[in-house]
Amino acid sequence: GAVVSQHPSRVICKSGTSVKIECRSLDFQATTMFWYRQFPKKSLMLMATSNEGSKATYEQGVEKDKFLINHASLTLSTLTVTSAHPEDSSFYICSARDSTGSLHYEQYFGPGTRLTVT
Amino acid sequence: LAKTTQPISMDSYEGQEVNITCSHNNIATNDYITWYQQFPSQGPRFIIQGYKTKVTNEVASLFIPADRKSSTLSLPRVSLSDTAVYYCLVRPISSGSARQLTFGSGTQLTVLP
Repeated sequence: GAVVSQHPSRVICKSGTSVKIECRSLDFQATTMFWYRQFPKKSLMLMATSNEGSKATYEQGVEKDKFLINHASLTLSTLTVTSAHPEDSSFYICSARDSTGSLHYEQYFGPGTRLTVT
Repeated sequence: LAKTTQPISMDSYEGQEVNITCSHNNIATNDYITWYQQFPSQGPRFIIQGYKTKVTNEVASLFIPADRKSSTLSLPRVSLSDTAVYYCLVRPISSGSARQLTFGSGTQLTVLP
């Protein structure tokens, strides 16, 4: 099956610093990737839709200047949390949509990145 | 997007069959029903998807009545490793523009020894 990887799997950073999280589709091309955030005991909340070669679309309430998304190739999207604060500590998960054009498209999820801001 | 409602939690014992029902009263004609499984600190994993009647794979079965306003995920003979959160999602079939997934609260299944 299709595989999506994320790097790093876990990161601890100091308040005020920036952190970059990578999402890669390993064996398929993805024109669209999605970034989710999940707090403990809560469901996944969509943050933004990342489109290859164009600007990301952010959900209401998500600051685009704080969560920078770059989708420079068909297999890589990055999420940069700028000037991180403790309240940004969360589990960040990406998913990638197979671009092969199958009518019953699938989204494949990465393993997630645990961000802790101290 | 159609809203889904499912039990917050369920307990079961090893070896039993578990059925998790999801309500989606406002499902649209072009919507599929998809179930995901999520273990702690991992991304969701696709389990099964269907449109109507019954779908079965090596992991689970999905039962969808004729009115499609609900669906039931059936896990045969669960084991301790099936303890996870199970999400029911409803999403359009369209392969056109990108469609994000909307996750509800999910069902925490706990399998006891």
